[in-house]
Amino acid sequence: EAGVAQSPRYKIIEKRQSVAFWCNPISGHATLYWYQQILGQGPKLLIQFQNNGVVDDSQLPKDRFSAERLKGVDSTLKIQPAKLEDSAVYLCASSSEGYNEQFFGPGTRLTVL
Amino acid sequence: AQKITQTQPGMFVQEKEAVTLDCTYDTSDPSYGLFWYKQPSSGEMIFLIYQGSYDQQNATEGRYSLNFQKARKSANLVISASQLGDSAMYFCAMRGLRMDSSYKLIFGSGTRLLVRP
Repeated sequence: EAGVAQSPRYKIIEKRQSVAFWCNPISGHATLYWYQQILGQGPKLLIQFQNNGVVDDSQLPKDRFSAERLKGVDSTLKIQPAKLEDSAVYLCASSSEGYNEQFFGPGTRLTVL
Repeated sequence: AQKITQTQPGMFVQEKEAVTLDCTYDTSDPSYGLFWYKQPSSGEMIFLIYQGSYDQQNATEGRYSLNFQKARKSANLVISASQLGDSAMYFCAMRGLRMDSSYKLIFGSGTRLLVRP
C-alpha cells in the first residue's frame, strides 16, 4: 500500500511570495490533515478535511493560508503572501476515518527568506 | 483545552539498555487516546503505540510499551533494548474520542533521543 505522498520536499522563497504544497493521501482515506511543524516544536493542526468538506480550520491563518480538497482526494495548501514566520515543515496526514490512526507523509520543508 | 507536556528536550541511552521518555497530559474529555510517534531525521512521523483512556492494561508493541498512569495523567514511553536506529525525535500526542469532537492530534514539544554505541 502506497503511503501519503507530498511535494515538493523542499521549497525556498522570499517573503511576500506565494507557495503551494500538494498532498496525495492513502487511497480510500476519507480524512486528510495539514499540520505545521515549526523547528523545535511538535506539529500543529492547520486544517482537517472529511472527504472534501472542512471539519476544523480553527488554527489556519485565513488571511494568508488557504487549502482545498477537490473531489475528496488530493489536497493543496497555499500561502499568499508568505512571512518569515511561515518557515516550517508542512506535514500531510490521512486516516480511513477521523477516529483511526493517522499516517503521515514525509513533509515539505519551507524556508522563507 | 488539551495539553501535552514533554519535559525532556534530550536524552542519551546506551545501546541495548532501556529508556523511559516522559509525557504528561491535561484534558477535560472523558474519553481520549494517547499516541507516541517517532520522527527520524528524514522528517516522517512514524506511529509507534496507542493507549485508550478506557484501556485497563498498558499497551505494548514489540520493544515499545506505554506506562499509562491515569490518575497522574502520565503516559510514558518505555523503549527496551535500545538500538542505534532508535535515535530520533519522539512525540507524545493525544486526541478526544467523542464522535462529535475534532480528531486533531495535540502534540508535545518532543524529546530527542540519542543512542550511544
